Amino acid sequence: EAGVTQFPSHSVIEKGQTVTLRCDPISGHDNLYWYRRVMGKEIKFLLHFVKESKQDESGMPNNRFLAERTGGTYSTLKVQPAELEDSGVYFCASSQEQGAGAFFGQGTRLTVV
Amino acid sequence: AQKITQTQPGMFVQEKEAVTLDCTYDTSDQSYGLFWYKQPSSGEMIFLIYQGSYDEQNATEGRYSLNFQKARKSANLVISASQLGDSAMYFCAMRDLQRGANNLFFGTGTRLTVIP
Repeated sequence: EAGVTQFPSHSVIEKGQTVTLRCDPISGHDNLYWYRRVMGKEIKFLLHFVKESKQDESGMPNNRFLAERTGGTYSTLKVQPAELEDSGVYFCASSQEQGAGAFFGQGTRLTVV
Repeated sequence: AQKITQTQPGMFVQEKEAVTLDCTYDTSDQSYGLFWYKQPSSGEMIFLIYQGSYDEQNATEGRYSLNFQKARKSANLVISASQLGDSAMYFCAMRDLQRGANNLFFGTGTRLTVIP
């Protein structure tokens, strides 16, 4: 069974550009989460999808971040325009049941220069 | 607000020895879940073990056990018989079950190095 996959694994972009991160959850997992780890700090929750609906987006830092999950399968997280402080590792996770231990992807390392 | 504290930025352990990674948490809620994740150099986060706040027995999963002391609000991870492949970052996390929240609150992590 394939795990959670994220693309790309690394991305280096200039300040002001747009970047789109993609997450493919484990097949059949309705719950999909985005987390972010900024250098030296703890991993922080961004948002939670149940199928295609946003269950909780309380962790989204600002309106430069847009997450979608059309069709309830894969999800994208777009940062537009990117700022220096957006640099970090973005993790996606999925779970079959809410409250269960989530399976994480390998993360996308975003560097904004 | 929930808070997870991991006070050990780095730990070393001799191969085949046991090691304890510390985790304390702060919450006013009665119902919560505690998790440990392992992050090897490849980057993915691997779920290791879970403890519910109402579970009376400490959780165990193979060589991993969670030393849950509710009154002290600690949830230390014990790895027995360390192996070289255990070298990784380890994150403690908590989920508030009472309010139905599904997001995890993470600590800053502990980097474990197993010495041959």
